[in-house]
Amino acid sequence: GAVVSQHPSRVICKSGTSVKIECRSLDFQATTMFWYRQFPKQSLMLMATSNEGSKATYEQGVEKDKFLINHASLTLSTLTVTSAHPEDSSFYICSAISGAQNNEQFFGPGTRLTVL
Amino acid sequence: KQEVTQIPAALSVPEGENLVLNCSFTDSAIYNLQWFRQDPGKGLTSLLLIQSSQREQTSGRLNASLDKSSGRSTLYIAASQPGDSATYLCAPYTGGFKTIFGAGTRLFVKA
Repeated sequence: GAVVSQHPSRVICKSGTSVKIECRSLDFQATTMFWYRQFPKQSLMLMATSNEGSKATYEQGVEKDKFLINHASLTLSTLTVTSAHPEDSSFYICSAISGAQNNEQFFGPGTRLTVL
Repeated sequence: KQEVTQIPAALSVPEGENLVLNCSFTDSAIYNLQWFRQDPGKGLTSLLLIQSSQREQTSGRLNASLDKSSGRSTLYIAASQPGDSATYLCAPYTGGFKTIFGAGTRLFVKA
């Protein structure tokens, strides 16, 4: 299957700083990528849908000014958590849709963010 | 709004048992449905993808069925092994390019 990578896999930062997470589709082009957040022992919650070359679509309750998403190319989407606070600590996972594979969704390995 | 329910929430079985994990969803207008596996602290691994026009898919010891009209899917695991221990997530892909996840079934297979 197709491969999606995320970087970094783990990040610890101080409160008030910004953190950028990259999501890359390594062997396919993804016009659409998704960003999810997962708290311990809970399921994935969709944060936003990222389309190449256009603004991201945010889910209700997700602050677009806090979670900046940029989908600069068909293989790269970035999520920037601005002015991070301890409550932003979570597991962030991206996914990408492969139109060439029946719209199958492939997930990255996730990024563990800890805000001190 | 799509809502996904997975039953049971947790399951503990001895090695070798055959299992059935259930998933129900409220909006039957789906393009496809995927079953994923998630190990603790890890990302998701796609297990099976069923297109809306299909009734089932098989991969090794896994078989997933889809009854789109009734909003149900089941994942059948044959001859379970300790390595199958993980959380299994059902995810219908609906219009608007959204995938909504169920809360998952946490499976523990005892050796």
